[in-house]
Amino acid sequence: EDQVTQSPEALRLQEGESSSLNCSYTVSGLRGLFWYRQDPGKGPEFLFTLYSAGEEKEKERLKATLTKKESFLHITAPKPEDSATYLCATYSSASKIIFGSGTRLSIRP
Amino acid sequence: EAGVAQSPRYKIIEKRQSVAFWCNPISGHATLYWYQQILGQGPKLLIQFQNNGVVDDSQLPKDRFSAERLKGVDSTLKIQPAKLEDSAVYLCASSQLGRGRNNEQFFGPGTRLTVL
Repeated sequence: EDQVTQSPEALRLQEGESSSLNCSYTVSGLRGLFWYRQDPGKGPEFLFTLYSAGEEKEKERLKATLTKKESFLHITAPKPEDSATYLCATYSSASKIIFGSGTRLSIRP
Repeated sequence: EAGVAQSPRYKIIEKRQSVAFWCNPISGHATLYWYQQILGQGPKLLIQFQNNGVVDDSQLPKDRFSAERLKGVDSTLKIQPAKLEDSAVYLCASSQLGRGRNNEQFFGPGTRLTVL
């Protein structure tokens, strides 16, 4: 059965303290892995799509990487406005979309 | 460009009552998705449409939930009768591409349903 697991569930960092969020997946025929950001009371907002192992994408302080078993979202020198829940999702060859439960990130000034 | 519109934003009903949610996707987006997000969890896909057709509804509780997308544009999701465990945020999303290489999804603000 396809599965997506995110860790840690919650992460508290000091402003400027870099870290990484993990998304482990077991998916038959991965077609794409997505990262979204979700603020309280809002719908998820698209960040990145990764399609193959070894691929990397960057946007401001965020960098996403992909291997055959997991994806990482690296946050460099985060700011308080980066506080949010970060969700990863997979899309399979069977047209199945599965979201992880997310990592709640809190950045203290 | 206007985003995905959803209404109502909030709904409170009693168990065994019926409720309907409406979604209008971004203009030109062929694919529309309905998700259920329970507090503290990630979104769970209920149904995916491409134009008028259903791509995936494997996780839709068909004994009580129904969804339609007439004319391949806006969509409604209905729950009849509602149960306590249906309390959640119902998210609608749309994307440009359908089967094959899946493109980014744009989400609406969601409808928060409370079942008492």
